[in-house]
Amino acid sequence: NAGVMQNPRHLVRRRGQEARLRCSPMKGHSHVYWYRQLPEEGLKFMVYLQKENIIDESGMPKERFSAEFPKEGPSILRIQQVVRGDSAAYFCASSLVPDSHYGYTFGSGTRLTVV
Amino acid sequence: AQTVTQSQPEMSVQEAETVTLSCTYDTSESDYYLFWYKQPPSRQMILVIRQEAYKQQNATENRFSVNFQKAAKSFSLKISDSQLGDAAMYFCAQSGAGSYQLTFGKGTKLSVIP
Repeated sequence: NAGVMQNPRHLVRRRGQEARLRCSPMKGHSHVYWYRQLPEEGLKFMVYLQKENIIDESGMPKERFSAEFPKEGPSILRIQQVVRGDSAAYFCASSLVPDSHYGYTFGSGTRLTVV
Repeated sequence: AQTVTQSQPEMSVQEAETVTLSCTYDTSESDYYLFWYKQPPSRQMILVIRQEAYKQQNATENRFSVNFQKAAKSFSLKISDSQLGDAAMYFCAQSGAGSYQLTFGKGTKLSVIP
């Protein structure tokens, strides 16, 4: 039973390029959460998605960031026109139900470096 | 709003000794959950231990235990018989009952000295 899979593990983008981060949830999980970890910081909630729906994007920057979780395939976090401040580790977690009381299983994260 | 504070950016412990990592939190909710996550250099977030706020008994998982002081809003992690593999960043986190969001502290970097 594979855990939450994220790829790529490392991603380097030049300023102005687009970054696409992928997250495959655990088998049977239909709830996906994205968190961002800036240097020297804890993880911060970005967005919560169910299949084909964005439920809560209150933690997403208003511009350049978008997320989707299609009916088929992984969840995608897209960052357009990346800037140096987007450099961070991006983590994905998934669950059977939208309740964090057991804690979540996180993927290993994608480290985005903007040069 | 929920906040989680870890006041110790770095800690060190001798191998086989005991260390305690501090965490305080603030929430207006009466029912909530508390967690400690370990993040080794591999970056994987590993759930170490969880505590349900309505339970007075402190959670224990092998060498890891917590000291949960609800009135003081304090949730410290004790690691006994420290091992080299315990070296990592440790994050305290909190979640409201029925919530899907976790609020994390900034972490404590634990070094284990052989």
